[in-house]
Amino acid sequence: GEDVEQSLFLSVREGDSSVINCTYTDSSSTYLYWYKQEPGAGLQLLTYIFSNMDMKQDQRLTVLLNKKDKHLSLRIADTQTGDSAIYFCAGGISGGYNKLIFGAGTRLAVHP
Amino acid sequence: KAGVTQTPRYLIKTRGQQVTLSCSPISGHRSVSWYQQTPGQGLQFLFEYFSETQRNKGNFPGRFSGRQFSNSRSEMNVSTLELGDSALYLCASSGSGGGVDTQYFGPGTRLTVL
Repeated sequence: GEDVEQSLFLSVREGDSSVINCTYTDSSSTYLYWYKQEPGAGLQLLTYIFSNMDMKQDQRLTVLLNKKDKHLSLRIADTQTGDSAIYFCAGGISGGYNKLIFGAGTRLAVHP
Repeated sequence: KAGVTQTPRYLIKTRGQQVTLSCSPISGHRSVSWYQQTPGQGLQFLFEYFSETQRNKGNFPGRFSGRQFSNSRSEMNVSTLELGDSALYLCASSGSGGGVDTQYFGPGTRLTVL
């Protein structure tokens, strides 16, 4: 079946790196996404990775994909207070059209 | 380019009523998906429309329905509202004609059922 799991909470100090982890059960997930949600807002697309890639870097964001373990991570370098939000990983399945399966979200708290 | 817009942003209804939510996709996008977000169940897929056709549907009762117009705008309707329907309803648009495409989300409609 389709399932995506994330740890629920992460606290980091401003300036440190944050690593948010995600595991997914559906091996047919061909596209994996990271979204950010701030209070009272919708979802903001941060980055995505295709399942045939191992890593993708986009400015302060680095996505790592371990297909064997079905593990996805998002690393935020030099974390700032503005990064405090809930982060969702989501899987999309080719042939499933635009249905995304979301994890429960990781609440990132950045403190001085 | 304007983003995905949803109206209304907030809505309060009572049990038994029905409600219609609207979503206007990014210009040129033809696919619109709807999601329900609640604290207990998280983000759950409702349905997806492309060129006025429903292509995929999540596991929700028949009280939840949707449609898409020729200009790609979409509406979702919930009939006979229940307290558990209180949620943030998000729509997302993408350009995809097939496969999976990057989805861009609107700000959501916050529905409260009393």
